[in-house]
Amino acid sequence: DAKTTQPPSMDCAEGRAANLPCNHSTISGNEYVYWYRQIHSQGPQYIIHGLKNNETNEMASLIITEDRKSSTLILPHATLRDTAVYYCIVRPPRGDSNYQLIWGAGTKLIIKP
Amino acid sequence: DADVTQTPRNRITKTGKRIMLECSQTKGHDRMYWYRQDPGLGLRLIYYSFDVKDINKGEISDGYSVSRQAQAKFSLSLESAIPNQTALYFCATSDLGGAGVETQYFGPGTRLLVL
Repeated sequence: DAKTTQPPSMDCAEGRAANLPCNHSTISGNEYVYWYRQIHSQGPQYIIHGLKNNETNEMASLIITEDRKSSTLILPHATLRDTAVYYCIVRPPRGDSNYQLIWGAGTKLIIKP
Repeated sequence: DADVTQTPRNRITKTGKRIMLECSQTKGHDRMYWYRQDPGLGLRLIYYSFDVKDINKGEISDGYSVSRQAQAKFSLSLESAIPNQTALYFCATSDLGGAGVETQYFGPGTRLLVL
C-alpha cells in the first residue's frame, strides 16, 4: 500500500499558484519525499524531492512540515500544460533493501483558463 | 524522455500469444525497471535490474519474464498473454545521486491490448 495520502483531484486557475498537499504521517526518519507527475498517460516525470528542508528547482517548490508528516508541492505560476496527475511518494535512500517506489493514485490537477 | 525508448508503442495480441516489449536507454544508467499501469491507478513494479547480471522480481511478476541483454537494453516478455495483462507498460531507468537519492526516468509507454 502507498504510504501517502493525496486528494483525488484539484482545480487551479491558470497563472495562480497550485498547492498540492500530501500526507505521509508514517514516514521514517531516513525516507525521502519525491514528487512525480504524469501528463495524459505519458511516462511519469520527476519533479522534485526532499528530506526535511524545503526545496526549490526550476519546476516547483517543496515545503515539508517540521514533523515531516506532510508536505506541499507548489507550482508557482500554473499553466495549462501543468494539467496532470501528481504523485507524492516516500522511499528510503539508496542501499535500503526496501527501495521500491510505491505509487498511489495521485492527485489529478486541472488547470483552468 | 527521449533518452528512454520503448517498442512497440501500441500492440494488440490474442490470448495465449507470446510477446516481447523492448526498452532501450542512452542515459548510461545501471538500473532499469518495468512497471504496469491500469486505468486510474498508480504504477506497479513488475521486474527490476540493478546491472546486467542482476534481475529481481517486483510486486507483480507472475506471468512475466525479463531479459537484460546489455546495460542499455531490458526486455519484458509475456509468455502466454491473457486479457488481464491489458495495461500500459512503462520502462524506467535510474541514476544514483548523492546522499542516497535515486531519480527514475521513464519511457513513453507501451499500450498493450490482449483480446
